[in-house]
Amino acid sequence: NAGVTQTPKFQVLKTGQSMTLQCAQDMNHEYMSWYRQDPGMGLRLIHYSVGAGITDQGEVPNGYNVSRSTTEDFPLRLLSAAPSQTSVYFCASRPRDSSYNSPLHFGNGTRLTVT
Amino acid sequence: GESVGLHLPTLSVQEGDNSIINCAYSNSASDYFIWYKQESGKGPQFIIDIRSNMDKRQGQRVTVLLNKTVKHLSLQIAATQPGDSAVYFCAEVYGNNRLAFGKGNQVVVIP
Repeated sequence: NAGVTQTPKFQVLKTGQSMTLQCAQDMNHEYMSWYRQDPGMGLRLIHYSVGAGITDQGEVPNGYNVSRSTTEDFPLRLLSAAPSQTSVYFCASRPRDSSYNSPLHFGNGTRLTVT
Repeated sequence: GESVGLHLPTLSVQEGDNSIINCAYSNSASDYFIWYKQESGKGPQFIIDIRSNMDKRQGQRVTVLLNKTVKHLSLQIAATQPGDSAVYFCAEVYGNNRLAFGKGNQVVVIP
């Protein structure tokens, strides 16, 4: 199994450009999420989804959109990139089953620089 | 790598010694805790977890201790190896599977 796959690994954007960060998982996990990682801060939740067709906002959703048309894919869109969005982005997934807790499985991240 | 850029507290440990990484959590209602390891250029990887009805759990070379009285979590790594060099995060789970991550600690193993 590939687990959680993120593309691209690196990206440089100019202010105002848009782009989509891709995330795919092959574990049939219902729950998927996007985090950003910045110096001096813990991972912060941007958006999440508990299943196909369902998305919700996390802690820092502004400037980002998501959609979940399939169980496998959860793309993150930056509508108009800003320097404040320079960060490392991680996609993560886990089973949704609420009868027990389960840890998140993370991808290897996308390092985004906005100039 | 990303871990160097995070400006984290650093624990330097001699190869073969034991490491102890500490974490204070904030929510007394948290009922599940997880330790992650993040190597440079990679995403966090699950190491071990513990539920709030336990105070100790052991894995392979790792032990997690939970003190709910003072809201403190620790990760002990036995016989630390060069491959243990990484950033270690704790995470607490509360409410409806809400997750909060600590800022992390950098562990550097000296050969």
